[in-house]
Amino acid sequence: GAVVSQHPSWVICKSGTSVKIECRSLDFQATTMFWYRQFPKQSLMLMATSNEGSKATYEQGVEKDKFLINHASLTLSTLTVTSAHPEDSSFYICSARDPLAVGYEQYFGPGTRLTVT
Amino acid sequence: DAKTTQPTSMDCAEGRAANLPCNHSTISGNEYVYWYRQIHSQGPQYIIHGLKNNETNEMASLIITEDRKSSTLILPHATLRDTAVYYCIVNSGGSNYKLTFGKGTLLTVNP
Repeated sequence: GAVVSQHPSWVICKSGTSVKIECRSLDFQATTMFWYRQFPKQSLMLMATSNEGSKATYEQGVEKDKFLINHASLTLSTLTVTSAHPEDSSFYICSARDPLAVGYEQYFGPGTRLTVT
Repeated sequence: DAKTTQPTSMDCAEGRAANLPCNHSTISGNEYVYWYRQIHSQGPQYIIHGLKNNETNEMASLIITEDRKSSTLILPHATLRDTAVYYCIVNSGGSNYKLTFGKGTLLTVNP
């Protein structure tokens, strides 16, 4: 299957600082990528849909000014958590769909664990 | 997209087949059934998907009932590494292919 990478795999930052997470599709071009957040013992929650060359679409309740998404190329989407607070500590996961695939399956990155102190 | 119902947890002995059920009684004609799994502290992994017919790949088999209201994911010879949360998701590909994850089934494979 297709490969999606994320960087960094984990990050610790101080409250009030910003953190950027990268999501890359390694062997296919992804016009659409997705960002999820997962709190301990909970399921994945979709935060936003990232479309190459256009603005991201955020799910209800997700602050677009706090979670900045940029999808500047067909293989890279970034999520920036601005002015991070301890409640933003979570597991952030991206996914991408190969537009040339027959089905609608998505391929997920390994996740980035963010800890805000 | 239609809602799915899965058991909270299941156990399976190593080497035996693991059969994970999913109920999707409100599925519509153009919706696919997808299965993903998430091993602890990792990103989800795509397993298999189907529309009407049963499907098999190197990881698993998917059995969809004739009325499409339920399905079963079969791991033919479960190993300890198959311990994970398994998610059954119904998706039509609309709305930019967004996936809605439920709580899934925690499958524990025991030695």
